[in-house]
Amino acid sequence: ILNVEQSPQSLHVQEGDSTNFTCSFPSSNFYALHWYRWETAKSPEALFVMTLNGDEKKKGRISATLNTKEGYSYLYIKGSQPEDSATYLCALLITSGTYKYIFGTGTRLKVLA
Amino acid sequence: EAQVTQNPRYLITVTGKKLTVTCSQNMNHEYMSWYRQDPGLGLRQIYYSMNVEVTDKGDVPEGYKVSRKEKRNFPLILESPSPNQTSLYFCASSLRGAPAYGYTFGSGTRLTVV
Repeated sequence: ILNVEQSPQSLHVQEGDSTNFTCSFPSSNFYALHWYRWETAKSPEALFVMTLNGDEKKKGRISATLNTKEGYSYLYIKGSQPEDSATYLCALLITSGTYKYIFGTGTRLKVLA
Repeated sequence: EAQVTQNPRYLITVTGKKLTVTCSQNMNHEYMSWYRQDPGLGLRQIYYSMNVEVTDKGDVPEGYKVSRKEKRNFPLILESPSPNQTSLYFCASSLRGAPAYGYTFGSGTRLTVV
């Protein structure tokens, strides 16, 4: 069974703190990794599409890196703000004859004012 | 505005009463999919459709049906809902046959079966 693991499950940080969390995945048959931001009572929104080993993507204070050889991606938030509070999901797209798309269970971030 | 429209947002129903959750996208996307979200579990795929008249089972298809008669619509049908189908459901679409660029999600349907 293919598993996409995210850690930690949840965390609380103070406003202004920087934080990061991890998405781990099996490295074989890798095609792409996606990060989503999911606010409470809304639907997930795509943050980053990452395809190449060593990829680094940035959107404002949020950035992500990708290591396909060792099977992990980091999401960083610099200077967290209360509006960053959300669940951050990663999803792995693999190819092994057919495409398979697997979501992690998410990291729930709460930024305290 | 490019979007996936899902209805209803909330639904409470009784065991065995057939229901349909509608999903429509206006982006001319080929790929559409239904997911359910349950506490402690990741989003799990119910069914997907690569294009019109092409549908296939995902990881948890039991108790569900879908159809794709037009490119824009992908309804989810529960012929005889049971309490274990109480969940948060999302419809999602992507441009091509695999979500290589990620999904656009609908706003979700919270279903309670009593």
